Amino acid sequence: GEDVEQSLFLSVREGDSSVINCTYTDSSSTYLYWYKQEPGAGLQLLTYIFSNMDMKQDQRLTVLLNKKDKHLSLRIADTQTGDSAIYFCAESRNAGNMLTFGGGTRLMVKP
Amino acid sequence: DAGITQSPRHKVTETGTPVTLRCHQTENHRYMYWYRQDPGHGLRLIHYSYGVKDTDKGEVSDGYSVSRSKTEDFLLTLESATSSQTSVYFCAISPGEFTGELFFGEGSRLTVL
Repeated sequence: GEDVEQSLFLSVREGDSSVINCTYTDSSSTYLYWYKQEPGAGLQLLTYIFSNMDMKQDQRLTVLLNKKDKHLSLRIADTQTGDSAIYFCAESRNAGNMLTFGGGTRLMVKP
Repeated sequence: DAGITQSPRHKVTETGTPVTLRCHQTENHRYMYWYRQDPGHGLRLIHYSYGVKDTDKGEVSDGYSVSRSKTEDFLLTLESATSSQTSVYFCAISPGEFTGELFFGEGSRLTVL
């Protein structure tokens, strides 16, 4: 089964905030990542958070980590049509590059 | 964009035939990875390499082999393709072991009939 789980789909209106959620099972995860995949392309790293942090903000992106519930979220403020993509949550258990990815959440932004 | 080229980008083949996918990088990165992407499963690691001739298995390595004879090339081979190997295959590279940032190629879509 999946060690990292995400909902499949999210639809928002342009200008609204988007919140994409992720749950993971391994409490030893050291880093957690958000990757973005645009149509026909590979994945690109958006942001990451170290497990001893609760929150990280980077321009329109806010990552929240609840270690107790093993829950990670990505908030995109003022969502634009260019944010339409698939977003993947990933965890790393030893601070290395052996990442375990979730199934991805497809974000659709309506004008 | 990281210099990663995957070839072929699209391939249709028949069950039982051998298939080789190539990943070529111009970044001189040490680490290279092969993932497959399937709906609902995200990306799953097939094999990875941590140097020339140094490779190891990932989560879903059965039915796949890899080779890395040069820093810049990482080959993924399906010795006898099956329909369950129909997928999109992504190569990724990383400069170091502990960065967590992978740079991905554009993917190779393989259909096994």
